[in-house]
Amino acid sequence: DAMVIQNPRYQVTQFGKPVTLSCSQTLNHNVMYWYQQKSSQAPKLLFHYYDKDFNNEADTPDNFQSRRPNTSFCFLDIRSPGLGDAAMYLCATSRDSTGSNTQYFGPGTRLLVL
Amino acid sequence: DAKTTQPTSMDCAEGRAANLPCNHSTISGNEYVYWYRQIHSQGPQYIIHGLKNNETNEMASLIITEDRKSSTLILPHATLRDTAVYYCIVKEAWNNDMRFGAGTRLTVKP
Repeated sequence: DAMVIQNPRYQVTQFGKPVTLSCSQTLNHNVMYWYQQKSSQAPKLLFHYYDKDFNNEADTPDNFQSRRPNTSFCFLDIRSPGLGDAAMYLCATSRDSTGSNTQYFGPGTRLLVL
Repeated sequence: DAKTTQPTSMDCAEGRAANLPCNHSTISGNEYVYWYRQIHSQGPQYIIHGLKNNETNEMASLIITEDRKSSTLILPHATLRDTAVYYCIVKEAWNNDMRFGAGTRLTVKP
């Protein structure tokens, strides 16, 4: 049973055309994360939500925004995609920041920018 | 967070145990050791984690040295589907950034 769901698995957009990637979870976890993974590189954290509190990484470009309308869903908005934004985007969740705080990842959405 | 050092790549014969080492000599007392793997074009998959004691689950065993400066992930009977990049990560529970390093590319061969 899928626990962290990302749709679509593949997304094609045009240079400069806004695009939204979606993530949902059935785990009822408090924390949701977005990572970017470029080809042959390790995943890199963009930002995360602890409940409704948004936490941006210092080096995440302003072009990347996120929304979390409720516990189950989280969206990644790329306002003006550039060719350098082509990557796999990974959503993850964790119950909270206590205990071991294990993160569980979705399958990812691969973004292609034309 | 403490840094980790892993071999770039390893091979393992199908059916044999795969032992993946990780060095984390600067680990602090409240940092956990996590292992994830990533099969090509998929999201990272959680395998196991531990603080001080050795751990075992249905996927693998984690052996942490007494001084906690290194650990070994053991896949007891590797299959071709275990071919993946394996990441060893150390971090405190409160830290939300799962800082992935380069990992070890494990290739299981028939």
